[in-house]
Amino acid sequence: AQSVTQLDSQVPVFEEAPVELRCNYSSSVSVYLFWYVQYPNQGLQLLLKYLSGSTLVKGINGFEAEFNKSQTSFHLRKPSVHISDTAEYFCAVRRGDSNYQLIWGAGTKLIIKP
Amino acid sequence: SQTIHQWPATLVQPVGSPLSLECTVEGTSNPNLYWYRQAAGRGLQLLFYSVGIGQISSEVPQNLSASRPQDRQFILSSKKLLLSDSGFYLCAWSRSGNTEAFFGQGTRLTVV
Repeated sequence: AQSVTQLDSQVPVFEEAPVELRCNYSSSVSVYLFWYVQYPNQGLQLLLKYLSGSTLVKGINGFEAEFNKSQTSFHLRKPSVHISDTAEYFCAVRRGDSNYQLIWGAGTKLIIKP
Repeated sequence: SQTIHQWPATLVQPVGSPLSLECTVEGTSNPNLYWYRQAAGRGLQLLFYSVGIGQISSEVPQNLSASRPQDRQFILSSKKLLLSDSGFYLCAWSRSGNTEAFFGQGTRLTVV
């Protein structure tokens, strides 16, 4: 069975510092990978996605993520965070042979300290 | 462009009362539709998904039901709410055969 693990429930970081939010998945088949952001009391917004091709994908708001097949990871990074990045971030995986099923991580709260 | 509307944004209901949350998608046809629940401090739990009118699949046995009376309308219902039904409910859609899902703004349901 597939699963997605976000290793940190909360990540505190100072403003303008770099950040990495970790995501590992388990799957025996090819997958598509996603990062979503959720601001308080709002829906989820797609940050970036990996479907195929270059393993380094760039998304909105200066975020990027790298797909590492051997380590089954898809960590999210930003070189310099801003107070407006305070939100919860979710990693999700979809099987390559599935039409609908997204498997979600439990989320990581990014806390920006001034 | 496609948009998704979900309402109401917040709802406070007494235990034992009925529930109806509505979600509509505009600008696309034959979308896959989803209802998720997000409990405090937890990730997203898929409740129902639908690949077409009248086709509903349930992921988790519970006090809730879903219906899709029209191609771009998805309704989440309950006949009698429980305290444990409190949470943040999210509707989402995706294109058939496509990858990512697009979310509504969510409904904060508090059962008292």
